[in-house]
Order: sequence, then structure tokens, then C-alpha cells
Amino acid sequence: DTGVSQDPRHKITKRGQNVTFRCDPISEHNRLYWYRQTLGQGPEFLTYFQNEAQLEKSRLLSDRFSAERPKGSFSTLEIQRTEQGDSAMYLCASSLGTGEGYTFGSGTRLTVV
Amino acid sequence: AQSVAQPEDQVNVAEGNPLTVKCTYSVSGNPYLFWYVQYPNRGLQFLLKYITGDNLVKGSYGFEAEFNKSQTSFHLKKPSALVSDSALYFCAVREIPGAGSYQLTFGKGTKLSVIP
Repeated sequence: DTGVSQDPRHKITKRGQNVTFRCDPISEHNRLYWYRQTLGQGPEFLTYFQNEAQLEKSRLLSDRFSAERPKGSFSTLEIQRTEQGDSAMYLCASSLGTGEGYTFGSGTRLTVV
Repeated sequence: AQSVAQPEDQVNVAEGNPLTVKCTYSVSGNPYLFWYVQYPNRGLQFLLKYITGDNLVKGSYGFEAEFNKSQTSFHLKKPSALVSDSALYFCAVREIPGAGSYQLTFGKGTKLSVIP
């Protein structure tokens, strides 16, 4: 296990389409996070899982966004009815404990046209 | 609410000179503090963290950071900059566990350019 994997690396979609991203965390990490990063900004928190439980969601996560982590392993982030404002880098991270630094994946770059 | 400020969008330093990237934070209680580095088209890489204990924290690639509670600062430093240190640096904070939120809040980032 070499780190956090995200798939796909890039996604171009038409406005109004649905997209789904996948994140595979480091296998022994029970905590998983999704962040969104736009150009010139730091990452913004979207949601957090501890094992399979989604414990926190940001106000940024509108009704069009949903995340799951079945069985506490990989996670998916789905965006329904995409809008141009959803264009961003979506980052996944995992950690073992609350005081540990996160390990980030390389991200999925979404472009909505 | 927790927040992070990185007052400099860009820092330029000559190779071999010491570098400092500034960060100040705001939390209700005690903080966990982190520095990350991001290279183009890559995810963020963890550099170092402050949880408790010694105010001077040493991390990867020769970087260190000093926690100053009275000034609510956590500046990143390196005694001698390398061209390969050129990247985007992010400071991040979260309140200690039990404060309700699990999220790490990031600053906007500081672009470091090391000039040969």
C-alpha cells in the first residue's frame, strides 16, 4: 500500500451530468476526509468519515453532493447535476488518529463545461 | 470558528539563504497545527505538526516551525533554502479533539520561489 489513491485523475463533464469519484485510503487508516481546492485557494473541508460513519459534513456540501464509505474502506463522492462552479480539484485524505497528519491523494480534477 | 492566515501570497528567497513562511491562526481552545507542501498537479505532502510539547518542531526536508502561543503563530523556517523547495506551502489548524469539529482548516497558501 503506497498511499491514498484517487480515481479518476481528471474528469471533464457537461453541466447537468452526474459524476462519481473514488478514494482508496491507506488500508490501516480508519479516518477519511474529502476536501475541495480551487485555484489560488487552500483546500476546503467537505466531509469526514470514521470507519463507515459520516461524522461531519460542511455547509459546502449541498444536496447535490453525497459521500459514502461502505464497510469503512474505500469512499465515493458523487456530484449530481453538476454546475460550472463545481469545477475544482477534489482531494481525499486519510489518517490513523486525530493528532496525525493527513496523507493526501493526488486528487481528481473536475472540469464542468 | 477556527481560521488560518498566511499573510504573504509569495515569498522569494535566494538559494542558500534562510527562509520563513508566516502563519497565524485562530481557535477557541488549544490548536493542532500542521504544514503541508504542494507541488504542481500533486496532492499535499505532510511536512510537520505541532500537537504539544516543545515549541520548536522539526519536520521533513530540513524544515522546522516554531509555535508561539502568545502571538498565535506557527511560522515555517529553513536555515538554507534549496531551489527544489520552490512550491506552494499551506498552514493548517484544528482544535484539539473533543471540541466538536474534525476538520482541518487550511490557509490560502504561500508560493515559495527559491532563486538560484
